Amino acid sequence: DVKVTQSSRYLVKRTGEKVFLECVQDMDHENMFWYRQDPGLGLRLIYFSYDVKMKEKGDIPEGYSVSREKKERFSLILESASTNQTSMYLCASSLRKTGGTEAFFGQGTRLTVV
Amino acid sequence: GNSVTQMEGPVTLSEEAFLTINCTYTATGYPSLFWYVQYPGEGLQLLLKATKADDKGSNKGFEATYRKETTSFHLEKGSVQVSDSAVYFCAIGTASKLTFGTGTRLQVTL
Repeated sequence: DVKVTQSSRYLVKRTGEKVFLECVQDMDHENMFWYRQDPGLGLRLIYFSYDVKMKEKGDIPEGYSVSREKKERFSLILESASTNQTSMYLCASSLRKTGGTEAFFGQGTRLTVV
Repeated sequence: GNSVTQMEGPVTLSEEAFLTINCTYTATGYPSLFWYVQYPGEGLQLLLKATKADDKGSNKGFEATYRKETTSFHLEKGSVQVSDSAVYFCAIGTASKLTFGTGTRLQVTL
């Protein structure tokens, strides 16, 4: 069974903390993504990566950074957490093919910043 | 850039009713099209897909046809069940990126 695993289901952090969200996939996919999901806004792309050490900004990168040192792992970093970053965070991976292929998602991390 | 527009919810139907959720898109190039479903408390999972014009994706009684001329990928099911209650997302994919709609919540009642 293909798998995308996010390190935590629920996380509570304080304002100003540095927060790391980890994601690992076991499918040898080139592409990896971080989205946040908010009611009424759907999924918004924060960052994506199509290769090791490569990263591209998505639609809402402000306040976030990412790291991809190994093909299977993609980390999302909140440099200084703020209450408006309270959200559900979803990691996904996919093969890099012309025309696109389906993405596989992790279970999500519900982050609360207090 | 790419974008996806899908009908706003919530959609409330009685069991065995017919379902349509509209989805239209704008894209550069020739994307693949997807419907994802999210059950309460879970991540997204692929429901069906289509990779070229006039392809029909189908799964679990749901269907959608890739309409290039109208840039649409509407989701349909002939007879919904209570267990279909979930949020449905339309998405378009290119080689390196997936773009999602805002999601449509479906509530099916007995």
